[in-house]
Amino acid sequence: GQNIDQPTEMTATEGAIVQINCTYQTSGFNGLFWYQQHAGEAPTFLSYNVLDGLEEKGRFSSFLSRSKGYSYLLLKELQMKDSASYLCAVRDRTGGFKTIFGAGTRLFVKA
Amino acid sequence: DVKVTQSSRYLVKRTGEKVFLECVQDMDHENMFWYRQDPGLGLRLIYFSYDVKMKEKGDIPEGYSVSREKKERFSLILESASTNQTSMYLCASSLQPINTEAFFGQGTRLTVV
Repeated sequence: GQNIDQPTEMTATEGAIVQINCTYQTSGFNGLFWYQQHAGEAPTFLSYNVLDGLEEKGRFSSFLSRSKGYSYLLLKELQMKDSASYLCAVRDRTGGFKTIFGAGTRLFVKA
Repeated sequence: DVKVTQSSRYLVKRTGEKVFLECVQDMDHENMFWYRQDPGLGLRLIYFSYDVKMKEKGDIPEGYSVSREKKERFSLILESASTNQTSMYLCASSLQPINTEAFFGQGTRLTVV
């Protein structure tokens, strides 16, 4: 089966760094996505990892370890507008390349 | 910019009604998806489609059906709405190959009373 775990909520301070972890179990791993979703809005794409290692994109970085079934999203120089839910999603090639989402991590950035 | 448009932001329907949720994308994407999003459960895949007139069941297809008569339009149908189908419904589309990101619509918050 498939399972994705991420913390329900996190709080961090403006200007700080925060790491949001995601662990997954899947039989046919074919890539991992991170999406950002502000309250009442649609999810928007942040990053995609299919090989092990770190992908950096501005203030956001995403890391993948396929052997450990583990990823994290790193947010640097936090801003108030980063307060949102962060969704970890795994693509599984079994059963037709479905993308399975975790429940999301709500990040609160405080001044 | 890719635009995925869902026909309604908010809907209230009665138990037993047949409900149609419409989704249109304007970037010629092959893949389209319907998810529902519930607190604590994340996004769960209901149905998806890789091509016109093609559909595949997701993880929770029971009580739903879909239609894709044209490439740009993917409709979700609740055959007989029930209160446990009260949820936020999100449509998404993506390009081939399948490892590209999905673009989401704004969502339809459906309440079944």
